[in-house]
Amino acid sequence: SQQGEEDPQALSIQEGENATMNCSYKTSINNLQWYRQNSGRGLVHLILIRSNEREKHSGRLRVTLDTSKKSSSLLITASRAADTASYFCATGTTDSWGKLQFGAGTQVVVTP
Amino acid sequence: DTEVTQTPKHLVMGMTNKKSLKCEQHMGHRAMYWYKQKAKKPPELMFVYSYEKLSINESVPSRFSPECPNSSLLNLHLHALQPEDSALYLCASSQDGHWDQPQHFGDGTRLSIL
Repeated sequence: SQQGEEDPQALSIQEGENATMNCSYKTSINNLQWYRQNSGRGLVHLILIRSNEREKHSGRLRVTLDTSKKSSSLLITASRAADTASYFCATGTTDSWGKLQFGAGTQVVVTP
Repeated sequence: DTEVTQTPKHLVMGMTNKKSLKCEQHMGHRAMYWYKQKAKKPPELMFVYSYEKLSINESVPSRFSPECPNSSLLNLHLHALQPEDSALYLCASSQDGHWDQPQHFGDGTRLSIL
């Protein structure tokens, strides 16, 4: 079963705009990860945020985590056509060694 | 280029065939995973190997048989598959399977069952 639910399911923006997507989860977690998947390719790890962290940055990516609301958001700033992909959140817990629970994903299309 | 290599990239097989999917990583990782992904869906975990031992089997039908010959290689043997098994099969690896580690994915094998 999926731990995370993502919102929106799809997002269409123009190059240069920011893209924000949200992930909500049901049970307590130890970390939350974000992955990107380009069409026809495997998943690429973007960022990992631990449960004791509130915000993390990596280049044009900004991830926040609110454990009280059991939610996380991924912000992509100044989007590019190459950011067109599906984005998945995934949660890990201490009692789920090796198992990540993936959310349903957000499809992002960035048009030039 | 991904650091996890999967072969073949595409596979078409009949329901009575036997075939194998292969996965290789040279990052020194000791945990390896098989996932199944249907179109527009997230990956679903099938198997986890940790230090060459099967540690998780997510109640996968026996027509899928995993094998980990050594720490760098992971195979998935297929036999008597059904049309609903058509999907993208992804291999991944992580340092040792700890929940606090990112997973590195290959580009997958796209499997079609006739």
